[in-house]
Amino acid sequence: SQQGEEDPQALSIQEGENATMNCSYKTSINNLQWYRQNSGRGLVHLILIRSNEREKHSGRLRVTLDTSKKSSSLLITASRAADTASYFCATQRTDKLIFGTGTRLQVFP
Amino acid sequence: DTAVSQTPKYLVTQMGNDKSIKCEQNLGHDTMYWYKQDSKKFLKIMFSYNNKELIINETVPNRFSPKSPDKAHLNLHINSLELGDSAVYFCASSQNNPYEQYFGPGTRLTVT
Repeated sequence: SQQGEEDPQALSIQEGENATMNCSYKTSINNLQWYRQNSGRGLVHLILIRSNEREKHSGRLRVTLDTSKKSSSLLITASRAADTASYFCATQRTDKLIFGTGTRLQVFP
Repeated sequence: DTAVSQTPKYLVTQMGNDKSIKCEQNLGHDTMYWYKQDSKKFLKIMFSYNNKELIINETVPNRFSPKSPDKAHLNLHINSLELGDSAVYFCASSQNNPYEQYFGPGTRLTVT
């Protein structure tokens, strides 16, 4: 069964604004990862947060994890047109990743 | 110097045919995967190999058969193709299962 569900399904913002995407999951996890997929391309790993971590930063990305609520958020600050893509969360509990439904982010110049 | 490569990028074929998709990674990773992404962008794992050994085999029809001749290659053979097999198939690899995965560019399969 699908592990992660993302919210919103689609998000449109202007360049310079912040974009926040949320991911909820159903069972306990070892880690949660975020990936980006540009149109017609493969997925690119962005960041991994372990179950004992609460927050992680990488450049303009900030990820939070709340295991009590079984949720995570991805914040992209000062967005750019090049950030336009689909973003997926993926949870790992055993030996495989289970991907969420994805958020389509459109950043207008 | 593509890290994970797949061929072909596009594959159009008729129902009932047999086709193969090839994947190669030059990252020295031990684990490789096949995923299927449907028209709604939902990505689901199909198979995983670690050092040529099958470790994940999801509920996939027997018509799909992965083959790993060595740990740098994982091919996917599909027999008796059906309309519902139309999707984008992604190969991926990782060093430590299942941490950070590196994805290939995808193969868009269209069955007519």
